[in-house]
Amino acid sequence: GDSVTQMEGPVTLSEEAFLTINCTYTATGYPSLFWYVQYPGEGLQLLLKATKADDKGSNKGFEATYRKETTSFHLEKGSVQVSDSAVYFCALLLNTDKLIFGTGTRLQVFP
Amino acid sequence: NAGVTQTPKFRILKIGQSMTLQCTQDMNHNYMYWYRQDPGMGLKLIYYSVGAGITDKGEVPNGYNVSRSTTEDFPLRLELAAPSQTSVYFCASSDRAQETQYFGPGTRLLVL
Repeated sequence: GDSVTQMEGPVTLSEEAFLTINCTYTATGYPSLFWYVQYPGEGLQLLLKATKADDKGSNKGFEATYRKETTSFHLEKGSVQVSDSAVYFCALLLNTDKLIFGTGTRLQVFP
Repeated sequence: NAGVTQTPKFRILKIGQSMTLQCTQDMNHNYMYWYRQDPGMGLKLIYYSVGAGITDKGEVPNGYNVSRSTTEDFPLRLELAAPSQTSVYFCASSDRAQETQYFGPGTRLLVL
């Protein structure tokens, strides 16, 4: 079935380090791909999305490129801040009404 | 705009009790969703609705019921609470099926 696989966390980084969170997917069609972020004590917020192959989503210094050939949508940021500490969820949306989420990756950034 | 609001924020239930989790959105979205989030897991879809009067089951509907009498409100009902329903519950809404979903702050439920 359709699914999303994310790297396990926590990912622990120092401020200004480079971030990569891996996400791969399995889907029978051509999904839209999303990254959601959940800050402590809050609900999920959309971080970025891409709707077709080779699209790049970007927001707040984060980027992810929809790679159809490797079925991946890895999240990257060149220089993380303490305020980026959160849980990051990769998700896909097919021609249905339902988002399918990965298990989430916790990012901890220390000064 | 308040967006998506959920009440209560936290609740403790005894086994066998019932309760309703409230969800309201003020964005005039047609689509609304209920998810549960268990520790270390992603979100699982419980029920969803594509408009007033229309609801459908998601991945994990057992033990829950929903109704959608208005566009704004999408309450989730637990009839006989069980420890397995201890979780954080999120409500979300979107304008159309392929559009961004907006999430509420969540309800933390503990069943003892």
